[in-house]
Amino acid sequence: AQSVTQLGSHVSVSEGALVLLRCNYSSSVPPYLFWYVQYPNQGLQLLLKYTTGATLVKGINGFEAEFKKSETSFHLTKPSAHMSDAAEYFCAVSDQTSGSRLTFGEGTQLTVNP
Amino acid sequence: GAVVSQHPSRVICKSGTSVKIECRSLDFQATTMFWYRQFPKKSLMLMATSNEGSKATYEQGVEKDKFLINHASLTLSTLTVTSAHPEDSSFYICSAGAGARLYEQYFGPGTRLTVT
Repeated sequence: AQSVTQLGSHVSVSEGALVLLRCNYSSSVPPYLFWYVQYPNQGLQLLLKYTTGATLVKGINGFEAEFKKSETSFHLTKPSAHMSDAAEYFCAVSDQTSGSRLTFGEGTQLTVNP
Repeated sequence: GAVVSQHPSRVICKSGTSVKIECRSLDFQATTMFWYRQFPKKSLMLMATSNEGSKATYEQGVEKDKFLINHASLTLSTLTVTSAHPEDSSFYICSAGAGARLYEQYFGPGTRLTVT
């Protein structure tokens, strides 16, 4: 069975500071990993994904994440936070056996302070 | 590309009535659609998975007679909440998976259901 753990349900950073949102997963087979962002009363928007190949993946809005198999992690980073980054972020995992079925983490609410 | 729409975006209904939510893939054929429920400040809870032309597979604890899912075409799935009660009030989100990239899902904007 797959699982996703997002450390920190709330993260607060200052505008211009580094954003680091943590995600650890468990999967018995090679995972596919995703980060989604959700703004209030909206659906989920894909930020980036890892399936195969390069372990450092770049996404939209300046976000990137690195797949570290040895640490079973897929942390999301952005060098400089912007006010518009304030939102809920979800890490998710699937794999070839689960098809497109996603297992989500509990989410991290990012607050950006001026 | 890969746009998924939901209708309505918000709906208020009276207790005991039924409400239908539509999920459409606008520019691709969705072989699989998923329905999620999201409580305030919580993660998404998968309710069911539907494949075009076949019965939906419901997650444990989800009442299939209450949450009727139909996936009659490759671009449309519907969720009908039957005999709605206030505890059914929630944010419902659909997503669609397509073709060879079945590991990807494209999410709709969600439907806010309020049962009074």
